[in-house]
Amino acid sequence: GAVVSQHPSRVICKSGTSVKIECRSLDFQATTMFWYRQFPKQSLMLMATSNEGSKATYEQGVEKDKFLINHASLTLSTLTVTSAHPEDSSFYICSARTAGNGELFFGEGSRLTVL
Amino acid sequence: SQQGEEDPQALSIQEGENATMNCSYKTSINNLQWYRQNSGRGLVHLILIRSNEREKHSGRLRVTLDTSKKSSSLLITASRAADTASYFCATASYTGANSKLTFGKGITLSVRP
Repeated sequence: GAVVSQHPSRVICKSGTSVKIECRSLDFQATTMFWYRQFPKQSLMLMATSNEGSKATYEQGVEKDKFLINHASLTLSTLTVTSAHPEDSSFYICSARTAGNGELFFGEGSRLTVL
Repeated sequence: SQQGEEDPQALSIQEGENATMNCSYKTSINNLQWYRQNSGRGLVHLILIRSNEREKHSGRLRVTLDTSKKSSSLLITASRAADTASYFCATASYTGANSKLTFGKGITLSVRP
């Protein structure tokens, strides 16, 4: 199946710093990418939907200035957690899809720990 | 907001037994999907069933969908220790040009060797 790569897989940062997580579709062009957040033993909560070349659509309750999403190319979307705080510690997962409503492919996730 | 609600939330069985997991949802859907997640890893797509389908098979997996009851079940036959993972149902609803997946809380399956 198609491959979606996330980087870094783990990141530890100090409170107040910003962290960028990359999501790449390695063998297909992803017109749409989704960013999810998952707390331990919890479900995936959709944070935002990003379409290549346009602004991301954020879910209710997700601060767009806190979680900056850029989908600059058909193979790359980035999530930047700005001024991170311990409550932002979580598992962040991206998924990618080709045009239309094709199958979703998920990255391996990025575990963020904010000290 | 959560759409799918799985039950049980945790299931422990012996290798070789069948595992049945249920999912209920609240709104209209276009399709329902089941995913698997190993601890600390990403999600793996298992099977998709469309709203006009009632049953689907894939290897040891059998999925049913009852749109009148807004429920689905995932059956894993002849379970193996390697099936130990969390399983999520996700409902897909089309919103404009995109469809959006909404995940349930997940079921933790433990298969004892």
